[in-house]
Amino acid sequence: QTVVTQEPSLTVSPGGTVTLTCASSAGAVTTDYYSNWFQQKPGQAPRTLIYSTTNKHSWTPARFSGSLLGGKAALTLSGVRPEDEADYYCLFYYGGTWVFGGGTKLTVL
Amino acid sequence: EVQLVESGGGLVEPGGSLRLSCAASGFTFSDYWMHWVRQVPGKGLVWVSRIKSDGSNTIYADSVKGRFTISRDNAKNTLYLQMNSLTAEDTAVYYCARVGEISGDHVKYDYWGQGTLVTVSS
Repeated sequence: QTVVTQEPSLTVSPGGTVTLTCASSAGAVTTDYYSNWFQQKPGQAPRTLIYSTTNKHSWTPARFSGSLLGGKAALTLSGVRPEDEADYYCLFYYGGTWVFGGGTKLTVL
Repeated sequence: EVQLVESGGGLVEPGGSLRLSCAASGFTFSDYWMHWVRQVPGKGLVWVSRIKSDGSNTIYADSVKGRFTISRDNAKNTLYLQMNSLTAEDTAVYYCARVGEISGDHVKYDYWGQGTLVTVSS
């Protein structure tokens, strides 16, 4: 069973920049993993921010960006706002099935 | 406006069955692959199952294989998840999600429903 690993928690100051990462136990993450990133706030359904590694939806704020970094998928938030405090999940495609990361709790403090 | 509305959750005894529904509107349902994802309250997201746009192919996570069946009725714009032999470990909020196509690959997650809670307990 493939495991996807995220930082359990991160803290960032308002206006700062933070990078969340996702690693795969199967090896270096590539574009073939079609990484998706999701934001989830308490009591709400997940919201898709990034698809296929780098692509944003029409509703994704410009301060969010996706990339590959050092063999991992990465989500970077630049100019963090208090409303960005949430749980963030990545999702990888493994040729048929999908596996979520455990999630990163982002605190804006 | 794209909408996905889950229903059918509730309290069921261990060993019991439940069928979840996801009613879709605001888009051509038959054009999209659909997924189910679950989340134990307070825990992370877990991918459950996927069905192709015409219902011709399905795939499941190992944890539900042989017990859960995903299906769809494109005439009714509705996705289903039939859950049998339920255990306490299946207690979770169940979400349906729409996945779009990029260059022939159906990997573009976009819209999610609000979820429906399934509680397995005696």
